Amino acid sequence: EAGVAQSPRYKIIEKRQSVAFWCNPISGHATLYWYQQILGQGPKLLIQFQNNGVVDDSQLPKDRFSAERLKGVDSTLKIQPAKLEDSAVYLCASSSRGGVGETQYFGPGTRLLVL
Amino acid sequence: AQTVTQSQPEMSVQEAETVTLSCTYDTSESDYYLFWYKQPPSRQMILVIRQEAYKQQNATENRFSVNFQKAAKSFSLKISDSQLGDAAMYFCAYRSGGAQKLVFGQGTRLTINP
Repeated sequence: EAGVAQSPRYKIIEKRQSVAFWCNPISGHATLYWYQQILGQGPKLLIQFQNNGVVDDSQLPKDRFSAERLKGVDSTLKIQPAKLEDSAVYLCASSSRGGVGETQYFGPGTRLLVL
Repeated sequence: AQTVTQSQPEMSVQEAETVTLSCTYDTSESDYYLFWYKQPPSRQMILVIRQEAYKQQNATENRFSVNFQKAAKSFSLKISDSQLGDAAMYFCAYRSGGAQKLVFGQGTRLTINP
């Protein structure tokens, strides 16, 4: 089966610009996660969707970050305006139902550099 | 809030030998899962092994096994017969039985010397 797809793979922007990342989860997976991985650190959850509803967005900087998951399939994460500290890899993951012991399948990530 | 600590930023091992990666966590909960994820260079993160807190038996997956010490809140990963393809960042992660998100440690970079 196809894995989690993300695009673009790399993005370079200047601070105060906007950027959007796209994620297509594994077919049939109800739960979708966006993580931020800053260089040298482990991933940090930004937002979790169950179908098209938000389950957890407690660590999403809502003044500049937004995310949506239309029709419970694809998802888009947007940063507007970007700051230097947003430079990171943005990982998308999906799981079947979001159960505690379920495997989360990760995409290849989008590497963002803010200049 | 739960925290996960990996105290070894880097480890190296000779090919075919055994290496152990350390992980400790802090929680007041009794129901949770622990995971080890592998992130090869420029490749996506994959699950290596998982452990349910209520199980006393340590999980094993082929050459990978864990030493789960619940009272000590320790969860180490042992890789036996190390192979060049094991070179990667390894992340320990915690997930509460009541919450949904994974909490990751800082990672350990494992190098395999031929």
